[in-house]
Amino acid sequence: DSGVTQTPKHLITATGQRVTLRCSPRSGDLSVYWYQQSLDQGLQFLIQYYNGEERAKGNILERFSAQQFPDLHSELNLSSLELGDSALYFCASSSGGGRIENTEAFFGQGTRLTVV
Amino acid sequence: EDKVVQSPLSLVVHEGDTVTLNCSYEVTNFRSLLWYKQEKKAPTFLFMLTSSGIEKKSGRLSSILDKKELFSILNITATQTGDSAVYLCAVEEAAGNKLTFGGGTRVLVKP
Repeated sequence: DSGVTQTPKHLITATGQRVTLRCSPRSGDLSVYWYQQSLDQGLQFLIQYYNGEERAKGNILERFSAQQFPDLHSELNLSSLELGDSALYFCASSSGGGRIENTEAFFGQGTRLTVV
Repeated sequence: EDKVVQSPLSLVVHEGDTVTLNCSYEVTNFRSLLWYKQEKKAPTFLFMLTSSGIEKKSGRLSSILDKKELFSILNITATQTGDSAVYLCAVEEAAGNKLTFGGGTRVLVKP
């Protein structure tokens, strides 16, 4: 158990809908990272938040957004869902100054999103 | 555009064999290279490499980075069925804390 909690574990939704994925980082970790893993593209970095503020942005679509709340949990919002958005969405957290290499990133178990 | 390429895509070995996984990269401002093992869902951290030529070792796993030739290798010796997994390589660039992942190498260790 990495200490990173993601909910829900599985999600099935129809195209055009909107979903919210939730991530609770390890206790004391200030950075939260979101990743998308689909079969054909491997693990793609989406976005990072550090202590409530956006720190880095990767290949995140405009239909997607995220935020980190004062209690440091984070939510990833996916809207206007398309079939191609079906994937595993991982959240990771790390402590310290938000640099993933200094503190190791601990991953949650992921949320599997299926868009039908 | 940053690029991380892993090879091979997949391999099958028997227990006791040694495997060598490759990761080559093109990153504008390299900071570190990380290796992860992914079995069922969440990847687990294996190594972080920042300095060229220094081998990192953990049990039967070891990894080394060559910053001149822009690649890293991950070795697994005396493989066991529990080593079956996808091994991911990721490169972090200095600016923006951006991580770029390779496509992974799927390793299957047969008894």
